[in-house]
Amino acid sequence: GAGVSQSPSNKVTEKGKDVELRCDPISGHTALYWYRQSLGQGLEFLIYFQGNSAPDKSGLPSDRFSAERTGGSVSTLTIQRTQQEDSAVYLCASSFPNQETQYFGPGTRLLVL
Amino acid sequence: AQSVTQPDIHITVSEGASLELRCNYSYGATPYLFWYVQSPGQGLQLLLKYFSGDTLVQGIKGFEAEFKRSQSSFNLRKPSVHWSDAAEYFCAVGSSLSGGYNKLIFGAGTRLAVHP
Repeated sequence: GAGVSQSPSNKVTEKGKDVELRCDPISGHTALYWYRQSLGQGLEFLIYFQGNSAPDKSGLPSDRFSAERTGGSVSTLTIQRTQQEDSAVYLCASSFPNQETQYFGPGTRLLVL
Repeated sequence: AQSVTQPDIHITVSEGASLELRCNYSYGATPYLFWYVQSPGQGLQLLLKYFSGDTLVQGIKGFEAEFKRSQSSFNLRKPSVHWSDAAEYFCAVGSSLSGGYNKLIFGAGTRLAVHP
């Protein structure tokens, strides 16, 4: 498992449905980040996890967005009651402790119809 | 607030020509600076980074960038472009989060097209 993996690669959903996006970071990386890439907003930070500390949720756009990280490894980003403006590529990144370089996964492309 | 500006949305160069992609940042302290590349349908790949020290940094795929504090710039360069360099390039600055880590603030990106 060399890199960050994300699933699914693509997700099409209907407006109002809930979706879950998964991120599996590089082994040993304690920091995990979620970003969103959309046509209108570019690349923007969503949320950050560091070890067992409380996450930094300062980038989440609304309370329909939430994320958790179980066991300090895998993370799930959940979007409730999806809206068309949620359509974007959701990117996950991870980094080693005390290192600034973030390594990105391939992303999940979400389309809300 | 920290910000990153990439003035060129789209650049076209001929294969073999030199390349310079511009990046300007706004940050109060010494910044952590990055260049990432994104090929169509792919995630972001790190090209190079600057944290401190020598202001000319070398990266992968023959790219280099120069940090100029006086101009708040971190321009990316390559002496001879290959067709495979066609992609979107993002400049980013690290912005402090709790726990001593940094989120990345990205520029809007520059899409590079390479003509044969």
